[in-house]
Amino acid sequence: GENVEQHPSTLSVQEGDSAVIKCTYSDSASNYFPWYKQELGKGPQLIIDIRSNVGEKKDQRIAVTLNKTAKHFSLHITETQPEDSAVYFCALIRGNQFYFGTGTSLTVIP
Amino acid sequence: EAQVTQNPRYLITVTGKKLTVTCSQNMNHEYMSWYRQDPGLGLRQIYYSMNVEVTDKGDVPEGYKVSRKEKRNFPLILESPSPNQTSLYFCASSSSGVRNEQFFGPGTRLTVL
Repeated sequence: GENVEQHPSTLSVQEGDSAVIKCTYSDSASNYFPWYKQELGKGPQLIIDIRSNVGEKKDQRIAVTLNKTAKHFSLHITETQPEDSAVYFCALIRGNQFYFGTGTSLTVIP
Repeated sequence: EAQVTQNPRYLITVTGKKLTVTCSQNMNHEYMSWYRQDPGLGLRQIYYSMNVEVTDKGDVPEGYKVSRKEKRNFPLILESPSPNQTSLYFCASSSSGVRNEQFFGPGTRLTVL
């Protein structure tokens, strides 16, 4: 299967600071890269996604960048707030199958 | 309300006792999928279905079965559960192919003794 490496596994930031989570992958055929947020006791929820024909996508305080040559994509959260505290998963598709990263537990300290 | 429902939410069972976890979605989605979530391993896909009567193995299908007889339902069957299948299970669905938002259910926490 596909190997999706996600770093860091845990991340603590002060409220208002930025957070960056990075994922690397090996299959150059992957062309869809979503990010999911999982709050405690709930299922994951899509927060942003990017397709391989663009290098960056923004949605308010959240942005995703994609470097297909280097095979990595990153989630950027600016002006972090306590409600951003959650586990974040990167993912990609190979064919019709999803592969998820191992998750990053983000804690925003008020 | 558009949603994915799973039942039961919590289940404790014993090795070898067949069980079924149900999944249902009311969004007329074609794609449905089952995942297991384990600490340090993230989410791993067990099986997925592109549409009715079409199912395929994901990354970790051993010990599991699925069926897709109706568009809205995608049950996960454990014929002979073992302790290594103790995990948190999520069902998800998405519309018109896989490169769209997946909507996840609330999860089923399964313990096999």
